[in-house]
Formats: sequence, structure tokens, C-alpha cells
Amino acid sequence: TQLLEQSPQFLSIQEGENLTVYCNSSSVFSSLQWYRQEPGEGPVLLVTVVTGGEVKKLKRLTFQFGDARKDSSLHITAAQPGDTGLYLCAGDHTGGFKTIFGAGTRLFVKA
Amino acid sequence: GAGVSQSPSNKVTEKGKDVELRCDPISGHTALYWYRQSLGQGLEFLIYFQGNSAPDKSGLPSDRFSAERTGGSVSTLTIQRTQQEDSAVYLCASSPDRGLNYEQYFGPGTRLTVT
Repeated sequence: TQLLEQSPQFLSIQEGENLTVYCNSSSVFSSLQWYRQEPGEGPVLLVTVVTGGEVKKLKRLTFQFGDARKDSSLHITAAQPGDTGLYLCAGDHTGGFKTIFGAGTRLFVKA
Repeated sequence: GAGVSQSPSNKVTEKGKDVELRCDPISGHTALYWYRQSLGQGLEFLIYFQGNSAPDKSGLPSDRFSAERTGGSVSTLTIQRTQQEDSAVYLCASSPDRGLNYEQYFGPGTRLTVT
């Protein structure tokens, strides 16, 4: 069974703090995506990483794909209440049809 | 441009009734996915359509679940004889191509409540 494990499951922090969310698997992925989902809405794509060791930045968000393409991390600097939401990682295998989603990390940033 | 739309946004039904959920993907997107999301959980894959190929139904939880995609565009997910454990948000997503572009664009979901 191909699984993506996300940690932590839940995170509540104060505005201005930094945080890191992890996505781990025993499988190698050809690409990995991070999504953010707000209540009552569908997930929205934040970034796709495809190369081992790749680092991508999106404003205060930094995404890293592990060298072996089995894991990824999302680091948020100076978190803001607008960052509150469910962060999902999702992985694809070369030639596969089914994207595997992690269970998500629910982030709450208090003002 | 228009995103993925789903209808209805909310559906309350009695146990044992059939329901149909609709998804309108982004125009031109060849791939279409259905997922189920229970409260506070991640996404559970249900079914995948790609162009005119046979769909990947490996995620459907039982034979009460079925889906169609007519004309390579609109899709309908049907749940027969609904059970309380079917209560969840059903999300539809579309994608331009399976190539190297795996990004999925999600609709807002249909919240199904079975009483």
C-alpha cells in the first residue's frame, strides 16, 4: 500500500511564528504537490516539485522535495492568520493514474 | 476563466435513497477525478477518467457507487441505496493532461448528509 504520512496532524501557533510540516513515504514519487484547503472549499494547488532536492519558494512558504523523492517539507515563515487551513501533500508515480493524498495537517494561526 | 463546478453544493437524503452528484470540469481538461473527504480527513480516491480510456474504478468503496462521464466532459457520481457512512464531502477535480502536468483543479465539493 502506498501511503503518504503527514505530520503533525494538527498545529496551533501564534501569528509571527515559524513552522514546518512534513510529508513522508516509503515510495518514490515522480512528482509531489502541496495543496491548501479552506473550510467549504476544494483544495487549491500551491506548488509542484519534481526533482530530488528541489526547493521552491512562494512568498513566505518554502517547499523542499527530498533527494530520494520520498519525502517533502513545507516551511512557513512568520505565519499569519490567513495561512490557516488544511495543508495536503499528494504524490504521483510515473505512469500511474492515481494520485495519493496524505491525511493533511490542519494549521490554525492565532492573531 | 471558469473553474470546476459541482452541484448540488449540499444534499441531505434519507438512508436507502439514491443520489446523483454532478461535476462540470474545466473546458478542455481531459482528466477527471472523484474523491471523498470525511470530516477533517484527507482525500480518498474514488474514480478517474482520462479521455476515452476505460475509467480507473479501483477506489470505489462498493458496487453501490458508480460514475459516468458523458462526451468527455460532464461527470455524474451516483450512489445507490445510500448509507449513513456515505456522508462526506464529494470532491471533483480535473486536469489538463496526465503527461508531466499532474496538477488537479478542484471544485468546491458536494456535502452529502445521509439521515
